[in-house]
Amino acid sequence: DAKTTQPPSMDCAEGRAANLPCNHSTISGNEYVYWYRQIHSQGPQYIIHGLKNNETNEMASLIITEDRKSSTLILPHATLRDTAVYYCIVRVVYTGGFKTIFGAGTRLFVKA
Amino acid sequence: DTGVSQDPRHKITKRGQNVTFRCDPISEHNRLYWYRQTLGQGPEFLTYFQNEAQLEKSRLLSDRFSAERPKGSFSTLEIQRTEQGDSAMYLCASSLPNYGGSSNNEQFFGPGTRLTVL
Repeated sequence: DAKTTQPPSMDCAEGRAANLPCNHSTISGNEYVYWYRQIHSQGPQYIIHGLKNNETNEMASLIITEDRKSSTLILPHATLRDTAVYYCIVRVVYTGGFKTIFGAGTRLFVKA
Repeated sequence: DTGVSQDPRHKITKRGQNVTFRCDPISEHNRLYWYRQTLGQGPEFLTYFQNEAQLEKSRLLSDRFSAERPKGSFSTLEIQRTEQGDSAMYLCASSLPNYGGSSNNEQFFGPGTRLTVL
């Protein structure tokens, strides 16, 4: 699976959009981009994933660049409860099993 | 609550003792994963089951570690002769089968078992 690079930490004001970048310049054509987050003392939680099109769900939006070498997770209206570590992961999807390779992630602090 | 559950949530043990953790996945999920997470780091993959078969083991899983899923439902992770370096959060996750290359194979994680070895 391709390696990802994320900033170690970011701040965001409550109510504003949080934009979390991720670089995955070695991503291959069959690898998806996944985002998970981990709130303190809890297990990671799936947020969203995509291949090449932008995706949106009730939690967030995922913007993938045309060359797929980077992506941005957008939390449109950040709340204090969004303070967490956000992990960007790329992995192949196939009919077999898979393991998720986590990096250190971005620690997002949402401030009042 | 029908999510992934883990027991115990916290375990303190003395070096050299054996410990066993349990994971109950979401009922229809046939895939089960174990990860280990140390402070400030992301989770590291340990092993993975499809039904009762253990299909992959990380090099992190030394001979002192053994995982089982005897009936394809719950799983146990045992650590023998614990060392202080085993202190970590042990996370379990489960997922649905992934047929046809569908991308919908998100993993659902449990709350973890925090192990402290004194």
